[in-house]
Amino acid sequence: NAGVTQTPKFRVLKTGQSMTLLCAQDMNHEYMYWYRQDPGMGLRLIHYSVGEGTTAKGEVPDGYNVSRLKKQNFLLGLESAAPSQTSVYFCASSKYYNEQFFGPGTRLTVL
Amino acid sequence: ELKVEQNPLFLSMQEGKNYTIYCNYSTTSDRLYWYRQDPGKSLESLFVLLSNGAVKQEGRLMASLDTKARLSTLHITAAVHDLSATYFCAVPPAGTASKLTFGTGTRLQVTL
Repeated sequence: NAGVTQTPKFRVLKTGQSMTLLCAQDMNHEYMYWYRQDPGMGLRLIHYSVGEGTTAKGEVPDGYNVSRLKKQNFLLGLESAAPSQTSVYFCASSKYYNEQFFGPGTRLTVL
Repeated sequence: ELKVEQNPLFLSMQEGKNYTIYCNYSTTSDRLYWYRQDPGKSLESLFVLLSNGAVKQEGRLMASLDTKARLSTLHITAAVHDLSATYFCAVPPAGTASKLTFGTGTRLQVTL
């Protein structure tokens, strides 16, 4: 099992550009999550999903959109990137209320 | 709003010493998670504490949960260099595990 994978691993964007981060899991987990991690701060939840076709806002959802068309995939979109979105993005998945398993992260820089 | 505080934020300790990291949270919750993160890496699950009084141990690390005091501790016994990492606690609101709030992390540095 690959666990949780994320694509891409690194990306540099210019302000105003758009991009999509892909998260995939092969553990048949119901729940999936997107977090961002900034220096000196813990992880903050952006959006999450409790099942295929459902999404919900987390703590810092502004500027991001998500979709979960298939159970194993969770996409995070930035429509118009801003320098404040420079961060490391982690995807995670869990089976209902159990512990979350994290992907390797995507390091995004917005110039 | 659920807030999670960890202390200390940074801990430098010598090999062989013992120390405790504290995690306090502000509202009711019935479970707590501890994660480890190495520099530039992802988060690795260490402990899942599911009830008041829960205690889990793995090697030189032992975690406990007191839901009445809203406090969890991560105790390090006879630290070794390999334990150097950042440790996070994370708490969900009562009745759900889908929205974890993370502490800011404790960066542990174990020196020879």
